[in-house]
Amino acid sequence: GENVEQHPSTLSVQEGDSAVIKCTYSDSASNYFPWYKQELGKRPQLIIDIRSNVGEKKDQRIAVTLNKTAKHFSLHITETQPEDSAVYFCAASRGSGGGADGLTFGKGTHLIIQP
Amino acid sequence: GAVVSQHPSRVICKSGTSVKIECRSLDFQATTMFWYRQFPKQSLMLMATSNEGSKATYEQGVEKDKFLINHASLTLSTLTVTSAHPEDSSFYICSANRGRGEQYFGPGTRLTVT
Repeated sequence: GENVEQHPSTLSVQEGDSAVIKCTYSDSASNYFPWYKQELGKRPQLIIDIRSNVGEKKDQRIAVTLNKTAKHFSLHITETQPEDSAVYFCAASRGSGGGADGLTFGKGTHLIIQP
Repeated sequence: GAVVSQHPSRVICKSGTSVKIECRSLDFQATTMFWYRQFPKQSLMLMATSNEGSKATYEQGVEKDKFLINHASLTLSTLTVTSAHPEDSSFYICSANRGRGEQYFGPGTRLTVT
């Protein structure tokens, strides 16, 4: 089955700086890579995703890059703000083609934005 | 769009009893829903895939007779934890597939078994 590794487990950055979280996956058939933000006691919220036919995707301050050859993908947050503080999870699945596959999650990164 | 509700948000039950959790997609139809389990300060682990009109598929190590799943319609899936024990205490979260792999999560159910 799929295995997703995520680093770092904790990331502390100064407000206004950039944050980068990295994930690797093992299943070459995975084709859908979402990122979720989870605040304490709340549901995971989809913040951005990328499919295997794309190398990079950007949405305002958030961007995701994908390297299929190396089987890794990364989340980049620029101009960080206090409200970005949360736990971020990467995930992978084979679901992009229309089939419905469950997500395999990384262990999460606790992002702390220092004022 | 893409709103998923889950009920109840919290439940406390006695050991040996059964608990039913409902997951609804409110503004889209979902032929597939998923059930995850999350322990404190840990990641989400996929338990099973709920398919409308057919049997659920369970991940390795998840007891299908203990965690009963019914996907009665395109907007409703239920998870019943049967004969609950303290080790079943956890945060259970459902998600609904909106298509092309996109999953939207419910708010979760905190189950405590005493």
